[in-house]
This record gives sequence, C-alpha cells and structure tokens, in this order.
Amino acid sequence: GQQLNQSPQSMFIQEGEDVSMNCTSSSIFNTWLWYKQDPGEGPVLLIALYKAGELTSNGRLTAQFGITRKDSFLNISASIPSDVGIYFCAGQLNFGNEKLTFGTGTRLTIIP
Amino acid sequence: GAVVSQHPSRVICKSGTSVKIECRSLDFQATTMFWYRQFPKQSLMLMATSNEGSKATYEQGVEKDKFLINHASLTLSTLTVTSAHPEDSSFYICSARVRGKDYEQYFGPGTRLTVT
Repeated sequence: GQQLNQSPQSMFIQEGEDVSMNCTSSSIFNTWLWYKQDPGEGPVLLIALYKAGELTSNGRLTAQFGITRKDSFLNISASIPSDVGIYFCAGQLNFGNEKLTFGTGTRLTIIP
Repeated sequence: GAVVSQHPSRVICKSGTSVKIECRSLDFQATTMFWYRQFPKQSLMLMATSNEGSKATYEQGVEKDKFLINHASLTLSTLTVTSAHPEDSSFYICSARVRGKDYEQYFGPGTRLTVT
C-alpha cells in the first residue's frame, strides 16, 4: 500500500535538544495526524491537524499542516528521555470512513 | 477517554491452528474499526476496515478467507487468523474511530502473534 515518506529515518540526539522531523506525500491529504509508538505498544495520538497552514501545539510538541497539503512537520522542544520512540505521521484524505495512510516512521534515540 | 484494548497481548500457536484477537473500545462507541499488521522495524500496514453490522473491506493483497473479521457491536471487533503459518507471525494492532469524531483514530496496545 501507499506510504508517506518521513525524514529523517532515525535521529540520535542529546537530552535537552530540539527535534524536527517531516513527512511528505505525493498526494494531498485533508487531515494529518502524528503518533508516537513505544516498543511493543500501539501508536498514541499526539497531534491532529485539520486545516492547511495550521500550526498546533501539545506541550513541547508543535506540528504544522503544510500549505500545499502534501506535507507536515513535527517539532519537539527540549527533549527528555521519555521522548524516545518511533514517530509516525498519518494522512487522511477525507472526513468520514476514510482510512489512514501511515508514514515510514522516525526513530528517536536520546544519547546519555 | 478513548481507550482501546486488545486481547490477548501475546499468543503463540502451532502452524495450522486458528487464533482469535479481540479489539474493544472501552469508553466510547466505534462505528469503524481498523486492523493493521506491523512487521519488525516497519510501519503499520492497513489490512481491513470493519464497520459495525456489515462486512469488512479488505486491502489489496489481504486474504479475506484467511483473516476473518467480525464487528458484532459498536465496541467489539474480532480478527481470526485461520490456518496460521509462521509467515503470519507479526504484531497486529487495531484502531477505533470515535463515533462523531471521524478524524480521530485511537489504537489498541497490539497483539504479538508467533506461529511455530
């Protein structure tokens, strides 16, 4: 199936650093979602974006819905150890019963 | 709120047997539930979309006779892996869409299936 491209694929940072990752698509999506997945667990919804150009924050997390509707960005400020995990973007074409298309994931590791 | 549970969390079965995985929305009604499969270090791949009271819609390449889905109520969907083989070993995750909030999907904790 179709997947969204996320970059970087993995990140190794020190605690306290800021993190930026992005997600791009060849197709337009009308909703963008960002999830975090810990090992052996299901994804947890972090932020949902519904409008092109929208900038939304959730604590230290900030995400933006690209103006072209083909990309989205997630920033994490002042990273802490519990930020470790895999971050997935997901796009939804339409409201209603439309399925989600998931990104390839960005694995975040914090170096002691 | 918006809690989704799965049972069992881990299951080991012998090749040729069938395994049933349950997905429940605990504190909300879910008009639609989704089943995903995730192989190690890979993303989630949608297997099927399950609507309460109707037949599931399977993604291309997913065998509907092998992966039986039943969505009997607004809070329960089941996935049965029939005649399991080692290549079916994977992490199976369900998600549920909150009724009235179609843009939000909440995921279960996943079920690790190992077929020996």
